Amino acid sequence: GAVVSQHPSWVICKSGTSVKIECRSLDFQATTMFWYRQFPKQSLMLMATSNEGSKATYEQGVEKDKFLINHASLTLSTLTVTSAHPEDSSFYICSARGEGYGYTFGSGTRLTVV
Amino acid sequence: QKEVEQDPGPLSVPEGAIVSLNCTYSNSAFQYFMWYRQYSRKGPELLMYTYSSGNKEDGRFTAQVDKSSKYISLFIRDSQPSDSATYLCAMSAGSGGYQKVTFGTGTKLQVIP
Repeated sequence: GAVVSQHPSWVICKSGTSVKIECRSLDFQATTMFWYRQFPKQSLMLMATSNEGSKATYEQGVEKDKFLINHASLTLSTLTVTSAHPEDSSFYICSARGEGYGYTFGSGTRLTVV
Repeated sequence: QKEVEQDPGPLSVPEGAIVSLNCTYSNSAFQYFMWYRQYSRKGPELLMYTYSSGNKEDGRFTAQVDKSSKYISLFIRDSQPSDSATYLCAMSAGSGGYQKVTFGTGTKLQVIP
């Protein structure tokens, strides 16, 4: 089955620093990957759609300059949280659609900004 | 009104019970319907995927879609403590890899031994 690997699974960083999260499709090519943010007891909120070889499409209200997305290959997309602040602390999840059906999610990254 | 409505629960049931989880939606363009299970601090895991109306069964899980009522359900038979998790419904208008998926808020299920 389709597998999406996401790293790191958790990270603690200081306020003002940047953090990069990687999302890899291990056994399929993902032209499109999605980045979500999830707050406690809330649903997944789509942040942006990442297209291989082109600029990401951001959802309304998501700061493009703060959440940098790069999709350099068919198997790798990265999300960089720049100049992180405590309010950026959240659970970030990527997903991609594999062959056949459904969307496969990564295991998520818990970001804590102190 | 949200595009997808889902009761957040929590829902507590005894082991062995039949569990019914539901979502309603307002966008008639939705044609693909999914159920995900999410354990605490983990990414969602796809359980069921259905297209249009009808039923689909996979082991102890049955997914139902009623497009006329804009209502979908997930039934879990012989529930087990390991089924304790948050269940998210999700839907999209198309099947292309670029299609945006809209999620419900999730229902937290607890199966009590």
